Amino acid sequence: SQQGEEDPQALSIQEGENATMNCSYKTSINNLQWYRQNSGRGLVHLILIRSNEREKHSGRLRVTLDTSKKSSSLLITASRAADTASYFCATDARGSRLTFGEGTQLTVNP
Amino acid sequence: DAMVIQNPRYQVTQFGKPVTLSCSQTLNHNVMYWYQQKSSQAPKLLFHYYDKDFNNEADTPDNFQSRRPNTSFCFLDIRSPGLGDAAMYLCATSRGTSGGYQETQYFGPGTRLLVL
Repeated sequence: SQQGEEDPQALSIQEGENATMNCSYKTSINNLQWYRQNSGRGLVHLILIRSNEREKHSGRLRVTLDTSKKSSSLLITASRAADTASYFCATDARGSRLTFGEGTQLTVNP
Repeated sequence: DAMVIQNPRYQVTQFGKPVTLSCSQTLNHNVMYWYQQKSSQAPKLLFHYYDKDFNNEADTPDNFQSRRPNTSFCFLDIRSPGLGDAAMYLCATSRGTSGGYQETQYFGPGTRLLVL
């Protein structure tokens, strides 16, 4: 079964609002990563959080990790139309591989 | 700029006609990956190379093969494409670690394969 599961599957918000996406996983991990994918393009790495970290920030992005609940969240503050994309979490439970969740499709309306 | 390059960006092939997708990188990473991604789905790992060591995923069809002639290049060969193989194929690289954990992966723009 898929290591990472994300919710919601789709999220539609207005520009300026915050967007929160959640990821749950099943087995213990070394780190969890978030990626963005614009339509028809490759994935772009956003942020990596290690299993001994609880929160990490990068610009308008805030990622939290709760290893006791096996879950992570990605918060995008003050969203922009350019943030419209699919967002994937990925875990490295299997050594030199990442397992991706099904993704959240975020639409930011101008 | 250091990057991962995939050629071609779009590939049209006929049912059963072999096709090769290519990937090159200037990051000097020792790990290279091939993923298949179908519409609105997660990328699915097909195989990866750790240096010259080839690692096939258990559920990757025999129809898919890969070659890595040197650090910079990696090829995906689809021996007899079927309609179900139409997808985006993504190449990625990462710096391998000895600690058994996964570092950031850097993706190319992908090659969209259409099978007629």
